Amino acid sequence: AQTVTQSQPEMSVQEAETVTLSCTYDTSENNYYLFWYKQPPSRQMILVIRQEAYKQQNATENRFSVNFQKAAKSFSLKISDSQLGDTAMYFCAFSAPGGADGLTFGKGTHLIIQP
Amino acid sequence: NAGVTQTPKFRVLKTGQSMTLLCAQDMNHEYMYWYRQDPGMGLRLIHYSVGEGTTAKGEVPDGYNVSRLKKQNFLLGLESAAPSQTSVYFCASSYGANEQFFGPGTRLTVL
Repeated sequence: AQTVTQSQPEMSVQEAETVTLSCTYDTSENNYYLFWYKQPPSRQMILVIRQEAYKQQNATENRFSVNFQKAAKSFSLKISDSQLGDTAMYFCAFSAPGGADGLTFGKGTHLIIQP
Repeated sequence: NAGVTQTPKFRVLKTGQSMTLLCAQDMNHEYMYWYRQDPGMGLRLIHYSVGEGTTAKGEVPDGYNVSRLKKQNFLLGLESAAPSQTSVYFCASSYGANEQFFGPGTRLTVL
């Protein structure tokens, strides 16, 4: 079984700063998918970014980018030029090949962007 | 295109009562999932389905049953609710290992 660990329960930064959220995982699979989901106070789960393990290039989506280190089983999320609307819970998630048996989530990091 | 919808949004039950949560998706996805979210725990998989007429157990299936009679619907049942089942329940759907699309959640309280 896979495990996902997010070691930062809460983080707080000033608006416009850059922040990095950590995630490590454990798996015996070679091909898999990793995700970062955002959950604002509205409770809706929103996909932030996705990484396929077979791709060496780190995924980027506008102000969001990842640092994927396959050998170290590390998948961190960097948010540049943070905005007040980035305040939310952030969950790291793992999907095995095929995706049939769902996502394994970390416990989340509560990110607070201070004005 | 409504995406993933869940009914109801809120519910309060007494211990021992039963209820069914309905999930519907209009994206023609094969895979559907039920998760529960508890404080400090992230989301945990209850049951999932890889197609119409199929279901399988996830990480925390005890006390729940599911059915997928139609491709677009995935039902989660609680036959005899317990306080430990107080949680927020999320339904999701996907096409393979791609992005999972989540519903808005159902907040269930069992007294």
